[in-house]
Amino acid sequence: SAVISQKPSRDICQRGTSLTIQCQVDSQVTMMFWYRQQPGQSLTLIATANQGSEATYESGFVIDKFPISRPNLTFSTLTVSNMSPEDSSIYLCSVFQGVGYTFGSGTRLTVV
Amino acid sequence: TQLLEQSPQFLSIQEGENLTVYCNSSSVFSSLQWYRQEPGEGPVLLVTVVTGGEVKKLKRLTFQFGDARKDSSLHITAAQPGDTGLYLCAGSVQRNTPLVFGKGTRLSVIA
Repeated sequence: SAVISQKPSRDICQRGTSLTIQCQVDSQVTMMFWYRQQPGQSLTLIATANQGSEATYESGFVIDKFPISRPNLTFSTLTVSNMSPEDSSIYLCSVFQGVGYTFGSGTRLTVV
Repeated sequence: TQLLEQSPQFLSIQEGENLTVYCNSSSVFSSLQWYRQEPGEGPVLLVTVVTGGEVKKLKRLTFQFGDARKDSSLHITAAQPGDTGLYLCAGSVQRNTPLVFGKGTRLSVIA
């Protein structure tokens, strides 16, 4: 199965600033998925990123707040823009390969 | 919208006890995954079930996929403190589509 390197693993950010999270996959994958996990909660899909086209966002998530780049088949970034304390969460990327889904180790974001 | 209802949300048991976690949906899934997540880390895949009625065992963990592929269960025999963590079920309606997650079961096994 694919191996995903996700950075940063954690960050503490000031409100109003932006943070870009990177995911590098060790093989080419068609789709990459970005999730948010709020404290004590399960995972919620933010968007699906397909190389060469704009990401598809789920209800409640918008491109201006969570812009995504997918420049090639092994890399994607998610930016959390104009952050507020409500954005404090774990952000995870995921890919499907073979028979299953693999997740990055997550980015734990705290907004102060 | 596909939904996965996972229960119970919280479970605190003594070492040596057995437990079962359930995931139910009105939707049919092509596959269902169970994950375990430790604090500060991403979910780690435990098992994928794809065939209705399928049963898979992983040491003391037994996973079952319902005949109609709408529900699944995770049974842990003789729970140990090392089993403590967040267990998540997640389903996909097709390969390479986003996973839909249940709310998770936070298990605490007390020695």
